[in-house]
This record gives sequence, structure tokens and C-alpha cells, in this order.
Amino acid sequence: QLQLQESGPGLVKPSETLSLTCTVSGGSISSSSYYWGWIRQPPGKGLEWIGNIHYNGSTYFNPSLKSRVSISVDTSKNEFSLKVTSVTAADTAVYYCARRLGYCSSASCVNWFDPWGQGTLVTVSS
Amino acid sequence: DIQMTQSPSSLSASVGDRVTITCRASQSFNTYLNWYQQKPGKAPKLLIYAASRLQTGVPSRFSGSGAGTDFTLTISSLQPEDFATYYCQQSYSSPYSFGQGTYLEIK
Repeated sequence: QLQLQESGPGLVKPSETLSLTCTVSGGSISSSSYYWGWIRQPPGKGLEWIGNIHYNGSTYFNPSLKSRVSISVDTSKNEFSLKVTSVTAADTAVYYCARRLGYCSSASCVNWFDPWGQGTLVTVSS
Repeated sequence: DIQMTQSPSSLSASVGDRVTITCRASQSFNTYLNWYQQKPGKAPKLLIYAASRLQTGVPSRFSGSGAGTDFTLTISSLQPEDFATYYCQQSYSSPYSFGQGTYLEIK
């Protein structure tokens, strides 16, 4: 059974860089069929998609965060990582990693996230 | 960007009730719509993908329908474990976007 687990500091100072890692177990991250994603949820609020990465390094991001976000993959460790630079209090959230699945028709592709990691709370505060 | 609007934002219902949650998109697409359930302190769980396809292991009392701009999640007979927050999510175009959530509470 595929499982994902987020790890990283729970407290980051304003203007610094948030760094999180998602470790994948029970399956290989090096599957051409999947992307791997990050989604966040501020306390008491809804979900915001951050970005996705393929094992070959292909990425795409939410334009609202693109200038501050990077995602990388380490296939030897079966993990992928998120960095958010110049953080503010608005970046305080539970950060989730997830596998993105889907399929394509002639028109477009339908994609969904499953499973998700348990999430990790990152607080931005001095 | 596509905006997703759920209604109602909150809902009180009783065990055994039939419940419907609606998700409306700001632009039309086919069936690129998914539904998730989230319980307090837990990660979202996939219920329905591609508008109407039930994820493996999800009880058959959950169903999804719709296309274009209007989508619905129906729970045919509420069980105690169904009280949670529900989110829709579109994957038609980037950035993927979620609805604001519907909080389903016990009456």
C-alpha cells in the first residue's frame, strides 16, 4: 500500500525558506504514470494546490506561488521536496504531499490526488 | 483561473438522510471534477474522480454526477462516519482549484 510522509521544520522565520520533504513508501516514485504534488491548507481554511513534479524532473506550479516555489525529486531516496522562499505569515499552513493520478482523452486529461500524506503544520513566526 | 463554488457552505443533517452538495465552476468543462472528504485533523480522502467514478473502497452510498459547470455529490443515506467537510476540485486547467468546502454536521 502506497504511503506518503511529510517531514521538515514546523517553525520558520519570516523572510526565510520553508523546506519540506515527502518520503514515498510501498511503491516507486519513478513511475511514468504519476506526478507527485504539494497542496496546502491554512488553519481553518480551504485547500490550495502548490505544484507537481514528475520523476523525470518535469514540474508545473500554481502561478500565484511560482516565483517563490521549487520542487525537486530524488529517485534514489524515493522522495520529493518543496521549497518556498521569502515566507510570510500567509504561508502558515498544513502542507500535504500526494500522488497525482489520471488519464487523458482526446480533449484533455482528468487528474486527481490519491493518496495523501498525513500533513505537517508549518508556522511562520519570529 | 477556474473558480469553484460549493453550496451550501454548511449543512445540518441526520443519520439516514439523503444529502446533496453542489459544486459550480466558473467556466464549463467536461467531467474533470473530483470530490474529497476531510475529517478534523486528517488529510483529504478521495471519494469520486472524473465526476462520477467511485474510488475503490468508498461506500456505494456516495455518488457523483454532472458535467459542464454544475456538479453534485450525493450521499444516499448518511452514516455517523460521514460527518466531515467535503471539497470539490477541478483538474481541467492549471492551476487546479478547490471549492471552499461544505461542512456537514449532525443535526
